[in-house]
Amino acid sequence: DTEVTQTPKHLVMGMTNKKSLKCEQHMGHRAMYWYKQKAKKPPELMFVYSYEKLSINESVPSRFSPECPNSSLLNLHLHALQPEDSALYLCASSQSDRATNQPQHFGDGTRLSIL
Amino acid sequence: AQTVTQSQPEMSVQEAETVTLSCTYDTSESDYYLFWYKQPPSRQMILVIRQEAYKQQNATENRFSVNFQKAAKSFSLKISDSQLGDAAMYFCAYRSGFNTDKLIFGTGTRLQVFP
Repeated sequence: DTEVTQTPKHLVMGMTNKKSLKCEQHMGHRAMYWYKQKAKKPPELMFVYSYEKLSINESVPSRFSPECPNSSLLNLHLHALQPEDSALYLCASSQSDRATNQPQHFGDGTRLSIL
Repeated sequence: AQTVTQSQPEMSVQEAETVTLSCTYDTSESDYYLFWYKQPPSRQMILVIRQEAYKQQNATENRFSVNFQKAAKSFSLKISDSQLGDAAMYFCAYRSGFNTDKLIFGTGTRLQVFP
């Protein structure tokens, strides 16, 4: 069982829809991450939250909007996505951004398809 | 900038045999951490093993061990007594020891295990 829970597992949406991806962890981790992963490729970092504040934005288009309501939750709001945004979206958490020897723990991901 | 290279896109091994996956990296830093993650078709990225660069002793986790050659910037993963459940995509990853959240992934090696 994964300690990082992502919902939904699958999402199909049109280009004009608004949807949100959710991520939750109860390990007391203070750093949380969003990654995008295309098929047969490594994950690409999108955003990092450290102590509920956005610390890294990897030049992600504004149609992706992250939110960290508290230390256990991380959301990714989606609006006006493009077909090329279809991918697996992975959430991860780690103890903190300063504990560099601590691994990131990943969720199962949300498989997103844009019609 | 740091880079991670996995030169074997695919590998295969017979059940109960041993296989080694290669990973090399490039960095000018002295303090860093290296990880091997496994991603089965179920999608979750699972930490297999990690190595601190300042430790000379190679990390071992049950059937998984690494051959860490710091001078050669090599970090290979050895899987002993391979099992069908080891079939997955394996990613090597680098993390700087200087207060950064970024995991830099290699392109991955797909491991097939044959009965």
